[in-house]
Amino acid sequence: AQSVTQLDSHVSVSEGTPVLLRCNYSSSYSPSLFWYVQHPNKGLQLLLKYTSAATLVKGINGFEAEFKKSETSFHLTKPSAHMSDAAEYFCVVRQNYGGATNKLIFGTGTLLAVQP
Amino acid sequence: NAGVTQTPKFQVLKTGQSMTLQCAQDMNHNSMYWYRQDPGMGLRLIYYSASEGTTDKGEVPNGYNVSRLNKREFSLRLESAAPSQTSVYFCASTPRGGQVNTEAFFGQGTRLTVV
Repeated sequence: AQSVTQLDSHVSVSEGTPVLLRCNYSSSYSPSLFWYVQHPNKGLQLLLKYTSAATLVKGINGFEAEFKKSETSFHLTKPSAHMSDAAEYFCVVRQNYGGATNKLIFGTGTLLAVQP
Repeated sequence: NAGVTQTPKFQVLKTGQSMTLQCAQDMNHNSMYWYRQDPGMGLRLIYYSASEGTTDKGEVPNGYNVSRLNKREFSLRLESAAPSQTSVYFCASTPRGGQVNTEAFFGQGTRLTVV
């Protein structure tokens, strides 16, 4: 079975400081991993995805994530937070077992607050 | 460039009323999904449809039914709404269920309140 754990439900940073949102996954097969962002009262937007190519993945708005198989982690980082980064972030796993449908499993989300 | 379109955006129901949430995608995607989002719980899968003509239960199917009307449309029906179904509902689609490298595309959500 596959699952994903977001280790922090809330993270608060100051504008201009680094962001780290932590995600650990469990998967019996090689997974695909995604980070989505949701701004207040909005839909979900894809930030980046890992699909077994490069382990360091760059996404939109300066975010990146590193796939570490030995640690079963896929943490999201950004060198310098901006006020517009305040949102909820979801780590998502999709298991590759070649079935007809490989469902997306969501973490419970991390709410990022950015202080001026 | 519509992508995934959900209607309505907001709805208030009384306990016991029924309603159908509509979802349509114009990307020729094979697979479609319904999720509900509740505070602190992320998104949980209600039902999905791997392809036209097939539907399957997800994590939290009780109290819901779905119809994959054609390749474009996937509706979610609440036959007798309950306050526990107060949530934000998202429809999503993917090009083909077996392609794990592809992300899902989401609608803007339907905020449903059952009183």
